[in-house]
Amino acid sequence: DIVMTQSPDSLAVSLGERATINCKTSQSVLYNSNSKIYLAWYQQKPGQPPKLLIYWASTRESGVPDRFSGSGSGTDFTLTISSLQAEDVALYYCQQYYSAPYTFGQGTRLEIK
Amino acid sequence: EVQLVESGGGLVQPGGSLRLSCAASGFTFSRYWMHWVRQGPGKGLVWVSHINGDGSNTDYADSVKGRFTISRDNTKSTLYLQMNSLRADDTAVYYCSNAPPHDSWGQGTLVTVSS
Repeated sequence: DIVMTQSPDSLAVSLGERATINCKTSQSVLYNSNSKIYLAWYQQKPGQPPKLLIYWASTRESGVPDRFSGSGSGTDFTLTISSLQAEDVALYYCQQYYSAPYTFGQGTRLEIK
Repeated sequence: EVQLVESGGGLVQPGGSLRLSCAASGFTFSRYWMHWVRQGPGKGLVWVSHINGDGSNTDYADSVKGRFTISRDNTKSTLYLQMNSLRADDTAVYYCSNAPPHDSWGQGTLVTVSS
C-alpha cells in the first residue's frame, strides 16, 4: 500500500498570509504512460463531506478559488493557499489514486492565527 | 447535477450486519466505477471499497476484506455495501463517491457499532 504522510498535522496562519501543506508519498504516483500524477487534495469542513480542490497534483477543480494551488513531483507534493481567508479554516487531505487502496494522508488542520 | 444519497446507517451490535445504500442520479450510473469511503469519529478519511460499472470487478481495504461486500443495481442506479461481522472500529460515517479524484460525494450515513 502507498503510505501518505502529511505535514504539519496542524497549522495556524494569519489572514492574508500564505499557508503551505505538504504531502509525501511512499512511492511514485506518476503513471509514466500518460505522464499524469495521481494525487488529489481535498478540503473538509465540519459536518460536510470532503470537497475536491486539486487533482493530477496541480489541476484546480472548477469553481475553486485561484488562491489554491498544487505542486510537486516525485514523492513530495504541496498544497498552497496564497492568501488565507477566513472560510479556508478546514481540514485538508491529500489522496493518491494511482493504485488501490486509494490512501489518504492523515489530514492537516488549518486555523487562523 | 450529480446527486448521491446514502442511507441505511444506524446503531448495530458488535457482530451484527447492516446494508448501506447509495442512490445516484444526474449521470449515467452504469458507466462509472463507484467507491465507499469512511471516516471514524474525529478521524481521517479511509478508502473502503470500489466496484466497476458492470459489477464484475471489486476491491476492498484489508480492514474490511471478507466482511464487507460491495455491489450495485444499475437498473436502480444504486450502490450497496453489505457489512457483516461488524466491529467497534467500523464505527464511522460512510460516504459513497465516484471514482477518484472524487468530485462527487454524498452527505454520508453514520454507522455506530456498540453494545
